Amino acid sequence: DTGVSQNPRHKITKRGQNVTFRCDPISEHNRLYWYRQTLGQGPEFLTYFQNEAQLEKSRLLSDRFSAERPKGSFSTLEIQRTEQGDSAMYLCASSLGEYTDTQYFGPGTRLTVL
Amino acid sequence: AQSVTQLDSHVSVSEGTPVLLRCNYSSSYSPSLFWYVQHPNKGLQLLLKYTSAATLVKGINGFEAEFKKSETSFHLTKPSAHMSDAAEYFCVVRSPSGANNLFFGTGTRLTVIP
Repeated sequence: DTGVSQNPRHKITKRGQNVTFRCDPISEHNRLYWYRQTLGQGPEFLTYFQNEAQLEKSRLLSDRFSAERPKGSFSTLEIQRTEQGDSAMYLCASSLGEYTDTQYFGPGTRLTVL
Repeated sequence: AQSVTQLDSHVSVSEGTPVLLRCNYSSSYSPSLFWYVQHPNKGLQLLLKYTSAATLVKGINGFEAEFKKSETSFHLTKPSAHMSDAAEYFCVVRSPSGANNLFFGTGTRLTVIP
C-alpha cells in the first residue's frame, strides 16, 4: 500500500506523560499536514511542512506540541506533559505541493489520555 | 475568512432512495470546495472537489455535487443509496493562504436503512 501511514494507530497514556506519533507520507509528496479531530467534530488544522520546513502553525498548537520533518520525508508529532484535553484523533495528510493538489489522509492515531 | 456549515448532523435514508447532504460555505474569494467521507476505522477519502471549473462535479461511487454561488451552497447528492454509503461525510473549504490547509464542517452522519 503506498498511501499515508501513521503509527501507532492507538495510544493510551497517563496524564503528564510524553507521546510521539509518526507519519509517513506518500512518496514524493512535498507537503505534509497535521490535523486533530475530537469526537463529533471535523478535523482542525495544526501545522504543515513544505519539505523539511515547518511553515505554519495553528494557534491550536500549544507550546507542549512540537512537530518535525527532519529529512523532508516522515514527520513526528510530540506532545509533552499530556492533558486529558489532548485526547483526540491525530490525522496526517500529504500532497504534492501545488495549490490544486488533493490532500491524502492517513488512518490517524487515536490518543487517549487517562 | 472561510468556513463551511453542514446543515444536518444526521441523515437517514432507505437503501435505493436518493441522498442529499447539505453544505453552505462562506468565503470572500472563489473557493475550492471538497467532500470527504470517513468510514469507521478508516482514513478520510476524497469524494469530489470543485476548483472553479464545471459547477456540477462528479465524484466516486456515484456521488456528485453542484456549486451554486448565488446560494453559497455545495450540496452532495446520490441518486440511489447503497448500504456501503453509511459513513460520516465532511464538507471542506481550502484556505487560500500559503498553507492551503483545509477547513472542515462538523460532519453529517449518513445512515442507510435496509
